[in-house]
Amino acid sequence: ETGVTQTPRHLVMGMTNKKSLKCEQHLGHNAMYWYKQSAKKPLELMFVYNFKEQTENNSVPSRFSPECPNSSHLFLHLHTLQPEDSALYLCASSQGTSQETQYFGPGTRLLVL
Amino acid sequence: SQQGEEDPQALSIQEGENATMNCSYKTSINNLQWYRQNSGRGLVHLILIRSNEREKHSGRLRVTLDTSKKSSSLLITASRAADTASYFCATLAGNQFYFGTGTSLTVIP
Repeated sequence: ETGVTQTPRHLVMGMTNKKSLKCEQHLGHNAMYWYKQSAKKPLELMFVYNFKEQTENNSVPSRFSPECPNSSHLFLHLHTLQPEDSALYLCASSQGTSQETQYFGPGTRLLVL
Repeated sequence: SQQGEEDPQALSIQEGENATMNCSYKTSINNLQWYRQNSGRGLVHLILIRSNEREKHSGRLRVTLDTSKKSSSLLITASRAADTASYFCATLAGNQFYFGTGTSLTVIP
């Protein structure tokens, strides 16, 4: 257990569905991250939040919409996804946003049909 | 791209042997970290080495960093079946982490 939880662990959705991924950290950290992990590719940083403010958005399509209501919770809202969006979505947190170890959740395995 | 690249992509060894994996990166870094990932799970931090350090140890792990060659190595000594996992290096450049594609290690009992 790393202190970061993610739900659901597995998700299958159609291209017209709307779903949300949830991440919660119990470590008192101030920064939270969403990553996408596809087979044979490096981990891709999607979004960074520091003290609830979004500080990075790495050219992520608008069909992915993050929300950070407080420092402990992070959501990723999904809408009209494509099959190529199927991947493992990992949430991480750290004390700050630079020079810090990141603590990862177990991930949500997403399949878009 | 500033991402790290691990080498080899896959490694298979017998239990008790040592496993060495390498990471190369392209730009100046603040620190370099190694993470481990069991299949379908999140990444777990193993060890961090700062840009002004050359070697670091943690239990059965030994990490080296050569900033002149922009490379790092992770040595796992006396491997165990439970060490079977993917290992990633992550470089911190500026405010952003860059992960490589990982080395898949299989330790055969």
